[in-house]
Amino acid sequence: ETGVTQTPRHLVMGMTNKKSLKCEQHLGHNAMYWYKQSAKKPLELMFVYNFKEQTENNSVPSRFSPECPNSSHLFLHLHTLQPEDSALYLCASSQDQGAGNIQYFGAGTRLSVL
Amino acid sequence: AQSVTQLGSHVSVSEGALVLLRCNYSSSVPPYLFWYVQYPNQGLQLLLKYTTGATLVKGINGFEAEFKKSETSFHLTKPSAHMSDAAEYFCAVSDTSGTYKYIFGTGTRLKVLA
Repeated sequence: ETGVTQTPRHLVMGMTNKKSLKCEQHLGHNAMYWYKQSAKKPLELMFVYNFKEQTENNSVPSRFSPECPNSSHLFLHLHTLQPEDSALYLCASSQDQGAGNIQYFGAGTRLSVL
Repeated sequence: AQSVTQLGSHVSVSEGALVLLRCNYSSSVPPYLFWYVQYPNQGLQLLLKYTTGATLVKGINGFEAEFKKSETSFHLTKPSAHMSDAAEYFCAVSDTSGTYKYIFGTGTRLKVLA
């Protein structure tokens, strides 16, 4: 248990569906991250939030829409996804955005887009 | 730009044998360095990190890594493999000032043979 909880753990959706991924951290951290993990590729940073403000959007398509209502919760809203979006989506948090801060990861949501 | 290379996407060792997972980085200045482990159906868990000071870093589960500036390497070792070490291992780097981004390698899947 890392203190970062992601739900759901598995999600299957059609290309026309709308769904949301949820991340909650119980560590008192101020920074939260979304990563995409695809087979045989490095983890791809998608979004970063620091004190609820988005500080990074790594050229992510608009069909992915993040939301950070407070420092403990992070959402990823999904709509009209493509099959190539199937991947493991990982949430992480760190004390702040300072260099060298340890990032703590959730177990991820395994997303399959049909 | 920084980059991380993990040599060998798959490594197999016998139980009780030495584990050596290789990581080389490319950076204009020595970065902070991390090793993470990912067990099946779980998120990433920090094994160890190097920031400054002693170049031999000890981590959890008997793992250690040595920062070698001259070789731009941060290889992960464990003297005696255990079946429970079977997992995927990721090397990551981050800048030492100002930024928060981790750059991850593509991972090495370790298989431990009985």
